[in-house]
Amino acid sequence: SQQGEEDPQALSIQEGENATMNCSYKTSINNLQWYRQNSGRGLVHLILIRSNEREKHSGRLRVTLDTSKKSSSLLITASRAADTASYFCATDVFGQNFVFGPGTRLSVLP
Amino acid sequence: DADVTQTPRNRITKTGKRIMLECSQTKGHDRMYWYRQDPGLGLRLIYYSFDVKDINKGEISDGYSVSRQAQAKFSLSLESAIPNQTALYFCATGLGGSTDTQYFGPGTRLTVL
Repeated sequence: SQQGEEDPQALSIQEGENATMNCSYKTSINNLQWYRQNSGRGLVHLILIRSNEREKHSGRLRVTLDTSKKSSSLLITASRAADTASYFCATDVFGQNFVFGPGTRLSVLP
Repeated sequence: DADVTQTPRNRITKTGKRIMLECSQTKGHDRMYWYRQDPGLGLRLIYYSFDVKDINKGEISDGYSVSRQAQAKFSLSLESAIPNQTALYFCATGLGGSTDTQYFGPGTRLTVL
């Protein structure tokens, strides 16, 4: 498996529901970040969580990090159709570059 | 105006042709990156540069070369394009540091026939 790997690969929910996606990684990290990509466009940074943090919030986003399990989750609450996009986790490994996972495709149905 | 721009946005070319993709940034960042994206594989790093005199190979540099003409400009070249280089290419910039984040351009969709 890759350093950063999201789960599930695809997720379809109704507007108003919460969406949860997970990221697992293999080596120790400096921080972990989540990015969003609208179809065919550049990635946009959403949130960063440092290795010594366990939870972080930004608007409707909640990110958790469990370094003992080498995993992170991104929760989007009260989803909207405009949240439809692909979501990527990126791990910042000490002394190396970012490693992006393959992403989770989220579809929010109106 | 966009902080990170890429030209061209779309390009169709033939096998064996030399192609250059250009990236410019107004963010004042020292670090610049080139990634390619293929369906289901996420982003893979091709080359990166931490300043004008520092160029490094990434995960998949074979068949590619780069030039950092200035702090603001980082070009990616395909010396002899082949069909499996058909992909979406992204340029990104970053400041570096322990909380570095990346700022992406809009992408170049390249098709090699």
